Amino acid sequence: DTGVSQDPRHKITKRGQNVTFRCDPISEHNRLYWYRQTLGQGPEFLTYFQNEAQLEKSRLLSDRFSAERPKGSFSTLEIQRTEQGDSAMYLCASSLAPLYEQYFGPGTRLTVT
Amino acid sequence: DQQVKQNSPSLSVQEGRISILNCDYTNSMFDYFLWYKKYPAEGPTFLISISSIKDKNEDGRFTVFLNKSAKHLSLHIVPSQPGDSAVYFCAACYGGATNKLIFGTGTLLAVQP
Repeated sequence: DTGVSQDPRHKITKRGQNVTFRCDPISEHNRLYWYRQTLGQGPEFLTYFQNEAQLEKSRLLSDRFSAERPKGSFSTLEIQRTEQGDSAMYLCASSLAPLYEQYFGPGTRLTVT
Repeated sequence: DQQVKQNSPSLSVQEGRISILNCDYTNSMFDYFLWYKKYPAEGPTFLISISSIKDKNEDGRFTVFLNKSAKHLSLHIVPSQPGDSAVYFCAACYGGATNKLIFGTGTLLAVQP
């Protein structure tokens, strides 16, 4: 097993553009999480999937953000009409219920210019 | 409000000595705690965890101690090695349906050769 993978690793976009990130979790993991990390802070929870169902979304996830996990495998996180404040590291993690331990991917670094 | 706090932004330790990283929390509903290590430009790596029903968990050079009455946990690394130099995050979890993690702001550990 190669662990959690994320693509792309880096994304530079202009304000107002849409971006989409992909996460491939550890294959047998049924839970998938998205977090966002900004400089000097710890990761902050964005959203959570159990299999293909999105069961919780943070207040941080504005209407411009949408996440999907079709067929309960990989997940995508889309940001529409990006703003400079969206610049951050977007982290994906997966776990196997009911265990608490989450395993993170390398992250996607988004820079909005 | 910051429910998980790591009040020391940085710590410097000599190689071979003990590193002690501290974490405080405010929410007594947390029932599981985890430590992650993060190198620059990588995602957090799971290190060690502890359930709220225990007061100590040990894994090789890493030991986590939990003091529920003080709402305090600590990570001990002994002996410290230069490769341990990284940012360490404490995280807490409510359990239940989501198991989302609430992170502290991290402590940068520098192990001097």
